[in-house]
Amino acid sequence: AQSVTQLDSQVPVFEEAPVELRCNYSSSVSVYLFWYVQYPNQGLQLLLKYLSGSTLVKGINGFEAEFNKSQTSFHLRKPSVHISDTAEYFCAGSSGSARQLTFGSGTQLTVLP
Amino acid sequence: DAGVTQSPTHLIKTRGQHVTLRCSPISGHKSVSWYQQVLGQGPQFIFQYYEKEERGRGNFPDRFSARQFPNYSSELNVNALLLGDSALYLCASSQGQVSTDTQYFGPGTRLTVL
Repeated sequence: AQSVTQLDSQVPVFEEAPVELRCNYSSSVSVYLFWYVQYPNQGLQLLLKYLSGSTLVKGINGFEAEFNKSQTSFHLRKPSVHISDTAEYFCAGSSGSARQLTFGSGTQLTVLP
Repeated sequence: DAGVTQSPTHLIKTRGQHVTLRCSPISGHKSVSWYQQVLGQGPQFIFQYYEKEERGRGNFPDRFSARQFPNYSSELNVNALLLGDSALYLCASSQGQVSTDTQYFGPGTRLTVL
């Protein structure tokens, strides 16, 4: 069975500072990883995904993530955040024959002026 | 192109009642999945349907059921509502049913059980 762990429930950061949101996974089979963002009272929007190939994945809104198999991590990064990046971020994974997404508990990113 | 749509947006029910939530997938998508998101938590998988057949079920009681129609839209039904069923119910659609397919989410239906 797969599990996804987001290590930080809340991350406050000042505007224009860099940010890293941490995600670790456990799976005994091939894993596919996703980052979604959820703005208040809205559904989930896909930021980026890792299926195979290059371990550095670039997504929308200037976000990127690196798949690290040895550390079983898929951390999300942005070099300079904006106020509009304030939202809840979810790491999710699927693997093998399991078609559903398994989500982490989420990280609330708050960008301060 | 229209994204995933869900109705209603909000719903208030009392304990013991029944509720039906509806979802229309992105045009061309044949798979619909349902997730429950309790406040402060990540979404939990409930069902996946592909080509009108159930292809996956999460750890939810039999009070939860779903179906998919020939036009690939879907309904989620919950019987005998409990207070703990209060949550945001999310529908996601994808082109196929494999684990590499990207799931696109709708805005959700906020269910409040009093």
